[in-house]
Amino acid sequence: LAKTTQPISMDSYEGQEVNITCSHNNIATNDYITWYQQFPSQGPRFIIQGYKTKVTNEVASLFIPADRKSSTLSLPRVSLSDTAVYYCLVGEGYSTLTFGKGTMLLVSP
Amino acid sequence: NAGVTQTPKFQVLKTGQSMTLQCAQDMNHNSMYWYRQDPGMGLRLIYYSASEGTTDKGEVPNGYNVSRLNKREFSLRLESAAPSQTSVYFCASSEGLAPPNNEQFFGPGTRLTVL
Repeated sequence: LAKTTQPISMDSYEGQEVNITCSHNNIATNDYITWYQQFPSQGPRFIIQGYKTKVTNEVASLFIPADRKSSTLSLPRVSLSDTAVYYCLVGEGYSTLTFGKGTMLLVSP
Repeated sequence: NAGVTQTPKFQVLKTGQSMTLQCAQDMNHNSMYWYRQDPGMGLRLIYYSASEGTTDKGEVPNGYNVSRLNKREFSLRLESAAPSQTSVYFCASSEGLAPPNNEQFFGPGTRLTVL
């Protein structure tokens, strides 16, 4: 199983771009990279998923370098409501079901 | 569509009591999951069902049993509750187990306290 490492916490201010990096040095050929967001007292919510290069949707971008040993979740112009825990998951099938402790993002005014 | 629903929302048990947590999804998903989340921790997988008729152990299955009743419903049973099972339990479902079709949709959670 690909082990992931991400910062325990990050601080930002409203309107800034936030980049959260996840390291996954032993990622396997068929593994995908998936990010979830969790607010207090709620279940996680899917943000974005990718395999290589760049993926963008209406809420975030995911940058994956050619060697795929890391990935970066980019949140443009964060607001207070983006304060949450962000989880990076790497794998294929069953191995994608491993949530670590995530990154606690605190957005201040 | 309700998405993923869980009952009950809250429950207090005494040590040794049993109970079943119910989960249902209306998205016609094949795969369903049960997680637990302890304070300050990430989610840990208890059991999952890749498709109707199959169930498999996750990371922390001891003390739990599951039943995939049909495609919609996946229940989690605690036969003899212990204080160590005090946690928040989340049910989730996805179209499939493997990416790129494995976006999980989570229920609101059940907050269980075992005294």
